[in-house]
Amino acid sequence: AQTVTQSQPEMSVQEAETVTLSCTYDTSESDYYLFWYKQPPSRQMILVIRQEAYKQQNATENRFSVNFQKAAKSFSLKISDSQLGDAAMYFCAYRKLYTGANSKLTFGKGITLSVRP
Amino acid sequence: DAGVTQSPTHLIKTRGQQVTLRCSPISGHKSVSWYQQVLGQGPQFIFQYYEKEERGRGNFPDRFSARQFPNYSSELNVNALLLGDSALYLCASSYPGQGAYGYTFGSGTRLTVV
Repeated sequence: AQTVTQSQPEMSVQEAETVTLSCTYDTSESDYYLFWYKQPPSRQMILVIRQEAYKQQNATENRFSVNFQKAAKSFSLKISDSQLGDAAMYFCAYRKLYTGANSKLTFGKGITLSVRP
Repeated sequence: DAGVTQSPTHLIKTRGQQVTLRCSPISGHKSVSWYQQVLGQGPQFIFQYYEKEERGRGNFPDRFSARQFPNYSSELNVNALLLGDSALYLCASSYPGQGAYGYTFGSGTRLTVV
């Protein structure tokens, strides 16, 4: 079974600074998808960024980028120029590449990110 | 377009009661999944439905059931509620074949069992 581990329960960053959130995962699959989701107090999970394991290039979405280390099974999220609106819980998630009809997401426990003004 | 809508937003039930949660996916999305998020934890997969058929089930007891309707909306039912069922229940939808691009989640139903 696949597992996703987020070992840092909380992190804090100064506004305009850069912060990196860590995630490791365990799978026997060679191809899969990885995601970072943001959950603000409104509770809605919002997709931040996704990475296809068969692509070597790290994904980037504006201020958000990932450091994907396939051999180490590590998938960290870097947030540049942190803004107050970035404060939220962040979840790392895994999905198999070929799922048939069941394409469930496996989530980590999450990291609470606070942004200091 | 409206996003994924869930109702009710909050609910308080007594142990032993039954509850029904509802989800309307984004227009055109035919796949609906349900997740349970206990306070301080990540969401746990409960069910996935596609074209009105159950396509996946997580490690939850038979007290949990769901169904999907012809308009692709879905209901999650939980019988004989336990205190441990208190959680945020999230619904997610995706367009056929687009699940690899992530899912669109609703804002959830907060269920409190007393």
